[in-house]
Amino acid sequence: NAGVMQNPRHLVRRRGQEARLRCSPMKGHSHVYWYRQLPEEGLKFMVYLQKENIIDESGMPKERFSAEFPKEGPSILRIQQVVRGDSAAYFCASSPQGIGQGFYEQYFGPGTRLTVT
Amino acid sequence: SQQGEEDPQALSIQEGENATMNCSYKTSINNLQWYRQNSGRGLVHLILIRSNEREKHSGRLRVTLDTSKKSSSLLITASRAADTASYFCATDARNTGFQKLVFGTGTRLLVSP
Repeated sequence: NAGVMQNPRHLVRRRGQEARLRCSPMKGHSHVYWYRQLPEEGLKFMVYLQKENIIDESGMPKERFSAEFPKEGPSILRIQQVVRGDSAAYFCASSPQGIGQGFYEQYFGPGTRLTVT
Repeated sequence: SQQGEEDPQALSIQEGENATMNCSYKTSINNLQWYRQNSGRGLVHLILIRSNEREKHSGRLRVTLDTSKKSSSLLITASRAADTASYFCATDARNTGFQKLVFGTGTRLLVSP
């Protein structure tokens, strides 16, 4: 059973370009979470999605960032017009359960390291 | 900010010694978890302790939780060089409706042979 997969593992973009980060959850998991980790810091929650629904995006910057989790295919975190401050590691996690269903462990992917030059 | 804090920020010990890391948080929780992150890698879940538990063991790991002080500790006994990593606590705040993990700032542990 493959774990959470993220690609690419490393992504370099120039300022103003778009970055697309992909996350394939573990088999059987329908809940996806995105976190961002700045250098020397802990992870910060960005967004929680279920298939075709954004449940909570309270951690997402108001502009330039968007996320989706379509019925088919991976979850995508999209950053438009990247700036140097977007340079960070972006982690995806998945779980089999969600709201009101008790505790469930989140399984993390290896992350995508975005560098904006 | 709801984010917790780990203490110390960095810890350097010799193999065989014990390592203790502390975590403080700010809000009421359902549970608290500890994760390990090796340099440049993803997070590995180590252990979860629920809000009604006070202590939990898993192999060489021992976790305590004091909800009155809003703090937790992670003890790694008989440390090994392979334990070198960053360790994060994460809380699952009550009343958020789902498990949004709030991570602390991490403790960087270096275990020298």
